Amino acid sequence: AQTVTQSQPEMSVQEAETVTLSCTYDTSESDYYLFWYKQPPSRQMILVIRQEAYKQQNATENRFSVNFQKAAKSFSLKISDSQLGDAAMYFCAYRQGAQKLVFGQGTRLTINP
Amino acid sequence: KAGVTQTPRYLIKTRGQQVTLSCSPISGHRSVSWYQQTPGQGLQFLFEYFSETQRNKGNFPGRFSGRQFSNSRSEMNVSTLELGDSALYLCASSAGHLTPNEQFFGPGTRLTVL
Repeated sequence: AQTVTQSQPEMSVQEAETVTLSCTYDTSESDYYLFWYKQPPSRQMILVIRQEAYKQQNATENRFSVNFQKAAKSFSLKISDSQLGDAAMYFCAYRQGAQKLVFGQGTRLTINP
Repeated sequence: KAGVTQTPRYLIKTRGQQVTLSCSPISGHRSVSWYQQTPGQGLQFLFEYFSETQRNKGNFPGRFSGRQFSNSRSEMNVSTLELGDSALYLCASSAGHLTPNEQFFGPGTRLTVL
C-alpha cells in the first residue's frame, strides 16, 4: 500500500523568508500524482500545487514550488516570501490512477511576524 | 460557482446513535469523496462515489456507509456511534473520478460523540 510521510510535525519561519516542507512517499507505481494541500484554521482544505510523476519539470505556482525527486520518492514544498496568510496545516498527498488520495500526517506551519 | 457545501457543520451525538451527513458538490461535479480527519489518525479515506456508484472504499467498518443521488449530492451514514467516531468529516468533489481532476473540499462537519 502507498504511504506518505511528513517528518516535520511543526515548522516556523519569519515573515518574508523561505521555508521548505518535506514529504516522502512509498510506491511501486511509475505513474501517479502528488499534491500539496493547505488547511488553514478555517478548516477548508485548498489545493496548493500538483505534480504529475511523468513530468520532470518541477511544478510552480507563484510563491510555491516543489522539488520532485522521483528516484528518491521525495516531494518537498518551498514557500518563498512567506506571508502571515500562509500559516496553516500543510498536507502532502499521493494518488495513483483512479485510486483514493493518500495523505501524510501534516506539517503545521507558523509564520512569525 | 458555489463551492462544496456540507451540512450540518457541527453535530453532537451520543454513543449508539446514528448520524447522517450531507454533501452537495460543486455544480457539474459527479464525483464525491469522503474523508475522516482525526488528530491521531490524520486524514483517512472513507469512500468515493461517481454517478451514484461507489468506486472506492477505505478500510472502515460496515457501520460507515454512503450513497449518492442522481443530482450528485451525497450522504454519509454512521450507525451505532462510538466515541472514536468523533472527527471532522470532509467531503470533496471533482468533475470526474480520474486523477487529473482536482478535488475541491468542503468546510467539513465536526461530529462529537459523547
